[in-house]
Amino acid sequence: QLVLTQSPSASASLGASVKLTCTLSSGHSSYAIAWHQQQPEKGPRYLMKLNSDGSHSKGDGIPDRFSGSRFGAERYLTISSLQSEDEADYYCQTWGTGTVVFGGGTKLTVL
Amino acid sequence: QVQLVESGGGVVQPGGSLRLSCAASGFTFSSYGMHWVRQAPGKGLAWVAFIRFDGSNKYYADSVKGRFTISRDNSKNTLYLQVNSLRAEDTAVYYCAKDPTVVMPTAPNYWGQGTLVTVSS
Repeated sequence: QLVLTQSPSASASLGASVKLTCTLSSGHSSYAIAWHQQQPEKGPRYLMKLNSDGSHSKGDGIPDRFSGSRFGAERYLTISSLQSEDEADYYCQTWGTGTVVFGGGTKLTVL
Repeated sequence: QVQLVESGGGVVQPGGSLRLSCAASGFTFSSYGMHWVRQAPGKGLAWVAFIRFDGSNKYYADSVKGRFTISRDNSKNTLYLQVNSLRAEDTAVYYCAKDPTVVMPTAPNYWGQGTLVTVSS
């Protein structure tokens, strides 16, 4: 079964960097994923797609501070030079044939 | 720029029905697959359904199969979600989202602001 696992929460200081993790279920370690951001009381926003070869393609207007990487079944979203507006929920998402799966989300607090 | 504007949400009794709409602009609507995704209060995102660019193929989450129907009118640049036999657990904000591909669901790359459906007696 295709499942994405995320830690429920993370925190980091203003101006620092943070690395969020999303883990693919067993047997799905080669899957591409996407990252989406949801600021409080707003709709989600597409950040990037992280391809199986490690390359990524960002959404419109997404700053260079946001980057993606992978290692094995883990997929990462790194946010550098944290700003207050980065405080949000971050969801990883993947897809199979005719289905879409979201991780449970990570709530990022900027201290 | 791409805009997706949902409407049609409201309060409905258990067992009732609603039709949600999503008006699309800023891109060639008829050339892309489209999703509905929902978010229950205080919970995460959950995929609901996908329809390919021409409406000829549709995919659903198991939790809504047989009760919800996704459709589109490419002449009106509008996506729909007919929601029937509503249950309390269907209470959520419903988002429409654009896929960058044509025939199979992948990663939505544009999202609307959502419309709230509340199922309550």
